[in-house]
Amino acid sequence: DQQVKQNSPSLSVQEGRISILNCDYTNSMFDYFLWYKKYPAEGPTFLISISSIKDKNEDGRFTVFLNKSAKHLSLHIVPSQPGDSAVYFCAAPFYNQGGKLIFGQGTELSVKP
Amino acid sequence: KAGVTQTPRYLIKTRGQQVTLSCSPISGHRSVSWYQQTPGQGLQFLFEYFSETQRNKGNFPGRFSGRQFSNSRSEMNVSTLELGDSALYLCASSIDRNYEQYFGPGTRLTVT
Repeated sequence: DQQVKQNSPSLSVQEGRISILNCDYTNSMFDYFLWYKKYPAEGPTFLISISSIKDKNEDGRFTVFLNKSAKHLSLHIVPSQPGDSAVYFCAAPFYNQGGKLIFGQGTELSVKP
Repeated sequence: KAGVTQTPRYLIKTRGQQVTLSCSPISGHRSVSWYQQTPGQGLQFLFEYFSETQRNKGNFPGRFSGRQFSNSRSEMNVSTLELGDSALYLCASSIDRNYEQYFGPGTRLTVT
C-alpha cells in the first residue's frame, strides 16, 4: 500500500520557468511532510518541510503548498535552474513512529537551458 | 559541522556472504535510520536506532540487522546475501524525532 505517491515519474521544464512537483498521500494521520532532492550516487538532501498546521512554507526559490482536504502537496521551484535537475522525493514520517519516513517514488526533474 | 558519513562507499560481495556497513551521524544527532533504495521498490525504511536501542523496524527479513554504539555511530549487517540485496543503502541521522533526517552518501552494495 503506497501511502505517499508521486504519480509523475518525470518532468521537463525550461530554465527560468516554474517547476511544480506533486505528491499525494492517503494516510490522514500524516502531519508533517518533507521534500528531498537526490542526485545520482548521492544521498537525498533535505530541501523543505511543512507541518499540517500550515498550508504554505517558503524558502528562497522553493515553496511547498499543502492541501489537507485533498491530501495533496506540491513543491514549486521558481525560477528553475539547470542545477535543479535531480530526483525529488516527498516523504512523511509514519504516525507515531518518528524515525521512519515513508517516501514517494520520486519525480525526475530536468531543467533545460 | 561534518555531515553523515558512510563507509565503505562501494562494495561487491558474493551470494551467501555477509556484509557490515558503517554510519557516523552528524555530531549531536542521536537517532540513526537506515534505508534501502532499489529501482523497483524505491526508498524503504530498514530500522532506526536511538541511544543504542532499536526503536523502529521496517518490513525486512531477519538477515538484516543493526546496532548503535554509545557514540551514536551505527552499523548494519546483512547475512547470507542474496542477489536481491543489491541496492544503495542509506543512513540518515536526526537529533531525535524531529523529523528532519539528514542523509549520508550511501553505500552501493552489489551482490554477484
